[in-house]
Amino acid sequence: RLQLSGPGLVKATQTLSLTCSVSGVSVHSYGYDWGWIRQHPGRGLEWIGYISYSGTTHYNPSLESRASISVDSSQNQFSLDVTSMTAADTAVYYCARNRHDSGFLYYFDYWGLGRLVTVSS
Amino acid sequence: SSELTQDPAVSVALGQTVTITCEGDSLRRYLGSWYHQKPRQAPILIVYGDNNRPSWSPDRFSCSRSGNTASLTITGAQAEDEGDYYCGSRDTSGDRWVFGGGTKLTVL
Repeated sequence: RLQLSGPGLVKATQTLSLTCSVSGVSVHSYGYDWGWIRQHPGRGLEWIGYISYSGTTHYNPSLESRASISVDSSQNQFSLDVTSMTAADTAVYYCARNRHDSGFLYYFDYWGLGRLVTVSS
Repeated sequence: SSELTQDPAVSVALGQTVTITCEGDSLRRYLGSWYHQKPRQAPILIVYGDNNRPSWSPDRFSCSRSGNTASLTITGAQAEDEGDYYCGSRDTSGDRWVFGGGTKLTVL
């Protein structure tokens, strides 16, 4: 349901652009947010940010100045841009659907396969 | 606090029961979710909220919450349950997400 596309290699200082194509549900469906998570080699999960069904965005404070998430309604997909990439941004990047069933219950129920992005000098 | 704390590693004998815990202030307000990740694979949701399981998750997985601690229990652990387990929830602000550091489960 979530298909991630984008480069596997980015040069330092450049901008990373990843896109997640969604099938089976509209990105504007109530009750769903669309998120990005990354995982550095051998490390745990790091939440990057999400865009809500209504277009509101929220980001990890550590990436807020460099990350941007947007939606393309015509293609039913959402995208992540990260500017000024460095070697520290080398990681597997995942897109995922965040479902919320109430004001207190949120969970990522579907994940894309993940894309290893390597930053070269 | 915006942190969730997990034990780094846990082991269980084949067929026995094991509980993995996750502590954090956000869990007093928000129900957590648990994810299982095998090497070189994407995480998958296994349990969430008040002991809910997606259709693909075996019924040996269950979860609960008490105070600021969420718990994942595997009743009758199987060899295929090895891997990393992550808890996650909205943080105390309600607008952002936080994941625990992960627990590596070994089935002996």
